[in-house]
Amino acid sequence: SQKIEQNSEALNIQEGKTATLTCNYTNYSPAYLQWYRQDPGRGPVFLLLIRENEKEKRKERLKVTFDTTLKQSLFHITASQPADSATYLCALDYSGGGADGLTFGKGTHLIIQP
Amino acid sequence: DADVTQTPRNRITKTGKRIMLECSQTKGHDRMYWYRQDPGLGLRLIYYSFDVKDINKGEISDGYSVSRQAQAKFSLSLESAIPNQTALYFCATSEAGWYNEQFFGPGTRLTVL
Repeated sequence: SQKIEQNSEALNIQEGKTATLTCNYTNYSPAYLQWYRQDPGRGPVFLLLIRENEKEKRKERLKVTFDTTLKQSLFHITASQPADSATYLCALDYSGGGADGLTFGKGTHLIIQP
Repeated sequence: DADVTQTPRNRITKTGKRIMLECSQTKGHDRMYWYRQDPGLGLRLIYYSFDVKDINKGEISDGYSVSRQAQAKFSLSLESAIPNQTALYFCATSEAGWYNEQFFGPGTRLTVL
């Protein structure tokens, strides 16, 4: 079965710097990959989706890359702010049609220090 | 008003009891999902439904059942609750078709004593 690996340890970043989170997966590549933000005790909130034929996607201060050769996605937050502190989840879908729902990584807890 | 709602938000029950968690959505989405989240294990898919007549098992369906009463309603039942079903449960919805994000409800915190 597919496994997703995200940094299990918390990532501490100084305010204003760029935070980079990693998502690695095993086996075959998904049709697309999604990133979600989750705050304590709340449901995940969708941030970005990148398709298998896309190298990079941007939205405001967020950027996602997708390298199917390395089987890796990187999630960047530029000009980070304390309000960006949260857990970030990587999720994969294989059919593109949601045939198997989403498989989530365990998430990386990001802390932006003022 | 929230697009995806879950009831109850918190529930404490005893081993062996039957429990139903309910999810309703006003987004008009065909697809609905149930996940559970445990510390250190992340979100795992329990069941999903692509329309009222379509129900599919996810990664961890044992001990659970679901009912899709209408396009807008998807319920999760624990027929005989056990302590290791203590977790945070999330319902989610998405549009049909490719490349669609999922919208999550606020979650139900279930404790089985």
